[in-house]
Amino acid sequence: DGGITQSPKYLFRKEGQNVTLSCEQNLNHDAMYWYRQDPGQGLRLIYYSQIVNDFQKGDIAEGYSVSREKKESFPLTVTSAQKNPTAFYLCASSISGYSNQPQHFGDGTRLSIL
Amino acid sequence: GQNIDQPTEMTATEGAIVQINCTYQTSGFNGLFWYQQHAGEAPTFLSYNVLDGLEEKGRFSSFLSRSKGYSYLLLKELQMKDSASYLCAVMDSNYQLIWGAGTKLIIKP
Repeated sequence: DGGITQSPKYLFRKEGQNVTLSCEQNLNHDAMYWYRQDPGQGLRLIYYSQIVNDFQKGDIAEGYSVSREKKESFPLTVTSAQKNPTAFYLCASSISGYSNQPQHFGDGTRLSIL
Repeated sequence: GQNIDQPTEMTATEGAIVQINCTYQTSGFNGLFWYQQHAGEAPTFLSYNVLDGLEEKGRFSSFLSRSKGYSYLLLKELQMKDSASYLCAVMDSNYQLIWGAGTKLIIKP
C-alpha cells in the first residue's frame, strides 16, 4: 500500500535538544516537502527537495535542517536554535516539483516542549 | 505580497449545501487546490482547478475565476463526516503552494 509515513506521531523536546522527525514515502515521488502548521495559520513551508541530494529553504527554514540522501526519505531535524518549535509538522510528496500535480501528506508529527 | 483569504469558520446543517469561498493574490498562478483536513490528521486532496469554471466530483464541486482571484468549494448533501477544515492553496509561478489558514466547517444535525 503506497503512502507517506511519518514518525513518531508525538514527540517531546527538552531545552537545548535537537530532535529528528522521520518521513518515508514509497510512492516513487521525486519531490518532498516539510510544512509546519500552527493554529489559525496556513501551512508554512520549511524545506523542500525536488530531487535526491538537493534541497532548498522554504519560508521558515531558520532553526531546521534536512537531508535527502535517498529518494524515499526526507528527515527533518529541529535544532535548539528553533525557539518556538511547538507545532504540527507535516511531510508531503509529489510526483515532481516542477508540475501542478497535487501534494500528498503523511499523518503528521506533533512536537511539544517539555 | 502573496495572500490567500478564506473564512475562519462556517456552520451548516446535515443534508444542506454549503459554499466555502477563497480569494487569492499570488505571484503567478499554476492552479488552485482544495484539501480536506480532519482534526489532527493529514490534509487530503479534494480538487484542482486551473481553468475558469466548475469542476464536479460527486457531492463536491469547485469553481474558479482567475480574473477575480476567486474560488469556492461547494459541498452538497452534507454529512456529519464532512465536519473538517477545508484548505485552499494556490500554486505560484515556482510551483510552490501558498496556503490559506483553512475554514473550519461545523455540521449540525
